[in-house]
Amino acid sequence: DAGVTQSPTHLIKTRGQQVTLRCSPKSGHDTVSWYQQALGQGPQFIFQYYEEEERQRGNFPDRFSGHQFPNYSSELNVNALLLGDSALYLCASSFTDTEAFFGQGTRLTVV
Amino acid sequence: AQTVTQSQPEMSVQEAETVTLSCTYDTSENNYYLFWYKQPPSRQMILVIRQEAYKQQNATENRFSVNFQKAAKSFSLKISDSQLGDTAMYFCTCYDNDMRFGAGTRLTVKP
Repeated sequence: DAGVTQSPTHLIKTRGQQVTLRCSPKSGHDTVSWYQQALGQGPQFIFQYYEEEERQRGNFPDRFSGHQFPNYSSELNVNALLLGDSALYLCASSFTDTEAFFGQGTRLTVV
Repeated sequence: AQTVTQSQPEMSVQEAETVTLSCTYDTSENNYYLFWYKQPPSRQMILVIRQEAYKQQNATENRFSVNFQKAAKSFSLKISDSQLGDTAMYFCTCYDNDMRFGAGTRLTVKP
């Protein structure tokens, strides 16, 4: 079992651009959550997807959007990138109320 | 939404000794789960221990145990026989409808 995989591992984008991050959940998991972790801080919840629908959303602007596919994989899209969007983006998958398993994250740098 | 507070930004402990990391939380839900995650420099978030709120018995996992005080909304982590590999950021999290993280405690185990 490959666990949760995220791609790419690192990414550099220019302010104003758009970015798409990808996540494949652990086998058997149907729920995917996304987190933003700024340097030296705890992860902040962005949103959660279940059955291809956004089920919960944190306090993030509409520039942050996502999608879940029938195979449970997910994408996080961020439009009109700001310097403050630079962070580690973590994906976590789970099944019902079991604990979340995390990927290694995508380090996004906005210049 | 729930909140999670970790009041110890940094802690250190000598190898083989015991250390306790503090966490308080607040949630309006009756059914919830509490977790401690470890994030080493490799940035992979790893589950340390899990506690279901409906269980009165404190969870234990080898050298790791919790002191769960539901009325006080306190959930501390005790690490016994600390090892150098325990050096990491430790995050307390609360899951009801989504998972919220504390700001983390940076633990350093000294030889």
